[in-house]
Amino acid sequence: QKEVEQDPGPLSVPEGAIVSLNCTYSNSAFQYFMWYRQYSRKGPELLMYTYSSGNKEDGRFTAQVDKSSKYISLFIRDSQPSDSATYLCAMKDAGGTSYGKLTFGQGTILTVHP
Amino acid sequence: KAGVTQTPRYLIKTRGQQVTLSCSPISGHRSVSWYQQTPGQGLQFLFEYFSETQRNKGNFPGRFSGRQFSNSRSEMNVSTLELGDSALYLCASSRGQLQETQYFGPGTRLLVL
Repeated sequence: QKEVEQDPGPLSVPEGAIVSLNCTYSNSAFQYFMWYRQYSRKGPELLMYTYSSGNKEDGRFTAQVDKSSKYISLFIRDSQPSDSATYLCAMKDAGGTSYGKLTFGQGTILTVHP
Repeated sequence: KAGVTQTPRYLIKTRGQQVTLSCSPISGHRSVSWYQQTPGQGLQFLFEYFSETQRNKGNFPGRFSGRQFSNSRSEMNVSTLELGDSALYLCASSRGQLQETQYFGPGTRLLVL
């Protein structure tokens, strides 16, 4: 079993829809949670970064972390065709052996059609 | 501020050859991490360097190695290339603190024939 599970989709939604992307994890030591967006043939771009449990909002994006359920989510409101990309969740623990190491989900392919 | 840069962007090699990839971090960042991205395995951590020292290493064979220079630029080397080494190799930089996230470069796409 992978440490981080993410439904690869693909997910196809109409423009303006609310998109919900999710990851579950098994390692209770994970403390830092990130969402990256990756366009085709590009490197991952950081979207959201949260520490421990709670919500964080940035424009159309909201990240939620529920450590008790080992579950994180990313919501995209008023989705746009330009949001079409692969969305990757990533996690990191706070131990000294985790320097530089992010553990990623498989990524969810999202298409927003006009 | 310029982002993370990687060179070359594309490479074609044959089995048995070796390859060196280069990464220049964001100015002021002293930590460089390397990842391999494949359709089957996703993004997997290779190793991390900070101030010319390897602080962490993933579960890859010894054919994969790296180093970091005093200006924080980093190189990774893959020797005796195998077909399965075909992948997008990404580097990411940060200032180096545990709680910080990382910023990725565009990657080097390696094809092994």
